[in-house]
Amino acid sequence: AQSVTQPDIHITVSEGASLELRCNYSYGATPYLFWYVQSPGQGLQLLLKYFSGDTLVQGIKGFEAEFKRSQSSFNLRKPSVHWSDAAEYFCAVFSGGYNKLIFGAGTRLAVHP
Amino acid sequence: SQTIHQWPATLVQPVGSPLSLECTVEGTSNPNLYWYRQAAGRGLQLLFYSVGIGQISSEVPQNLSASRPQDRQFILSSKKLLLSDSGFYLCAWSAFGNNNQPQHFGDGTRLSIL
Repeated sequence: AQSVTQPDIHITVSEGASLELRCNYSYGATPYLFWYVQSPGQGLQLLLKYFSGDTLVQGIKGFEAEFKRSQSSFNLRKPSVHWSDAAEYFCAVFSGGYNKLIFGAGTRLAVHP
Repeated sequence: SQTIHQWPATLVQPVGSPLSLECTVEGTSNPNLYWYRQAAGRGLQLLFYSVGIGQISSEVPQNLSASRPQDRQFILSSKKLLLSDSGFYLCAWSAFGNNNQPQHFGDGTRLSIL
């Protein structure tokens, strides 16, 4: 069965530092992967998606993610974090039909000034 | 452009009372629609999805039900709320069909059961 694991529940970084959020997936075929961000009390916003092709995908707000099939990973990165990036980040994979998703448990990012 | 609306934004209900949460989508036709629950400190759990009017699929057994009376309207209901129904409820839509299109989310409803 498909699954998504986000090993880090909570991460704290300093403003201006680089960021990498980890995501590992379990999927039998070629996965379709997503990263979403959720600000407190808000819905989820799509940051980026990977379907096929180039394994390094660019998203909104300066984020990028790299798909590594050999490691079953789809880690999210940002070279320089801003205080406004403090939020919860969810990795997700398509599950079955009708565009259904399985989400990881999320990683909460705190940014120190 | 497409937009998705959920209401109410927050709701406080006593145990045993009924529930109705509404979600509407604008700017698209025949969307797939989804209801999720997000418990405190946990990820998202898919509760229901719908691929057309009157077509509802339940993902987990629970105290809730869903209906889709119109193409772009999705309603989450309960006859008698339980304490365990507390949480943050999110509605989402994607393009119609099984076409690997991403989901887009509303702003959610915070439900507190007393």
